[in-house]
Amino acid sequence: SYVLTQPPSVSVAPGKTARITCGGNNIGSKSVHWYQQKPGQAPVLVIYYDSDRPSGIPERFSGSNSGNTATLTISRVEAGDEADYYCQVWDSSSDHAVFGGGTQLTVL
Amino acid sequence: EVQLVETGGGLIQPGGSLRLSCAASGFTVSSNYMSWVRQAPGKGLEWVSVIYSGGSTYYADSVKGRFTISRDNSKNTLYLQMNSLRAEDTAVYYCARGERGLSDAFDIWGQGTMVTVSS
Repeated sequence: SYVLTQPPSVSVAPGKTARITCGGNNIGSKSVHWYQQKPGQAPVLVIYYDSDRPSGIPERFSGSNSGNTATLTISRVEAGDEADYYCQVWDSSSDHAVFGGGTQLTVL
Repeated sequence: EVQLVETGGGLIQPGGSLRLSCAASGFTVSSNYMSWVRQAPGKGLEWVSVIYSGGSTYYADSVKGRFTISRDNSKNTLYLQMNSLRAEDTAVYYCARGERGLSDAFDIWGQGTMVTVSS
């Protein structure tokens, strides 16, 4: 089965740039989606199709995907960005959705 | 307003059964593909099952043979029938809409319903 690997935690100072990676075998050939989840809340889609933003998501959120690594970048980080972030792809060989283990973003 | 509302969670003994419901509004469940995703306490997201608009269904290995996803088009509602429940099935269960126009991303999520399997 397809595996996505994320760092457990990332820390960043307010106003700086946070980068959260998602590793997978040839992940660059797949569409990667990113979700933000705050405590006690349902996940929210923040990036789809590697780098597109749903309506209502700030331009500070961006994404890229190439080779074996996809990256979620959050610019000018704010305290309100503190959350868990999950990457996700569809494994077309099995028709299974796959989530990464999640990354806890801490704003110092 | 486009939204999903899950119900049916609760405390159930190991080996028991439970059916979760996910009522949709603002869109048609049968025109989209719908999934269940769960999250054990303090853990990450785990995909459970999907039902496509054509009716095909798929399951995570951890629930295959025990869980059944279905929908009632007349009620615009998604279901998850859970049988032979185990302690490791304890989790918040979310239903989510997969949007073809967003490259199959889950763009709408319910608020979740808690299932606790314990004696």
